[in-house]
Amino acid sequence: AQTVTQSQPEMSVQEAETVTLSCTYDTSESDYYLFWYKQPPSRQMILVIRQEAYKQQNATENRFSVNFQKAAKSFSLKISDSQLGDAAMYFCAYYRYNNNDMRFGAGTRLTVKP
Amino acid sequence: DAGVTQSPTHLIKTRGQQVTLRCSPKSGHDTVSWYQQALGQGPQFIFQYYEEEERQRGNFPDRFSGHQFPNYSSELNVNALLLGDSALYLCASSLARQGFMNTEAFFGQGTRLTVV
Repeated sequence: AQTVTQSQPEMSVQEAETVTLSCTYDTSESDYYLFWYKQPPSRQMILVIRQEAYKQQNATENRFSVNFQKAAKSFSLKISDSQLGDAAMYFCAYYRYNNNDMRFGAGTRLTVKP
Repeated sequence: DAGVTQSPTHLIKTRGQQVTLRCSPKSGHDTVSWYQQALGQGPQFIFQYYEEEERQRGNFPDRFSGHQFPNYSSELNVNALLLGDSALYLCASSLARQGFMNTEAFFGQGTRLTVV
């Protein structure tokens, strides 16, 4: 079974600084997708960034980028120039190709200090 | 575009009762997935509906059932409620493409169910 582990229950960053959230996963598959979702107090899960496993290039979306290490099964999220609005729960998620079951980690609560 | 809408936003039920939660997918989406998010945990997949049929199911008992209507909206039903069913229930919609995985899933704001 595929599992997703987020080893940092809480992280804190100073506004305008950079923070990295960690995620590891376990799978025997070669085709899959990885996601980072943000869940603010409004509870709605918002997609931050997506990575296709077959792509070697790390995904980037504005201030958000990932470090995808397929062999190590690691998928970390880097947030640059942190803003107060980045404060939220962040979930790492795994989605196997042709499967419909997205697996989530337990989440990391990010606090941004002004 | 209203996005994914869920109703109600909050609900309190008594143990043993039955509950129905509703989800309207994002315009143009045809697939609805339901997740249970217990306090302090990540969402867990309950099941997915496509073309009015349950396409896949997670590790949840038969007390959890669902339905998808021709307009792609969906309901989640939970019978014989237990205290442990208290959670945030999230609905996600996406667009299925034959031969490809679902595209990005858009989530609703969830229904907070409290069982007392």
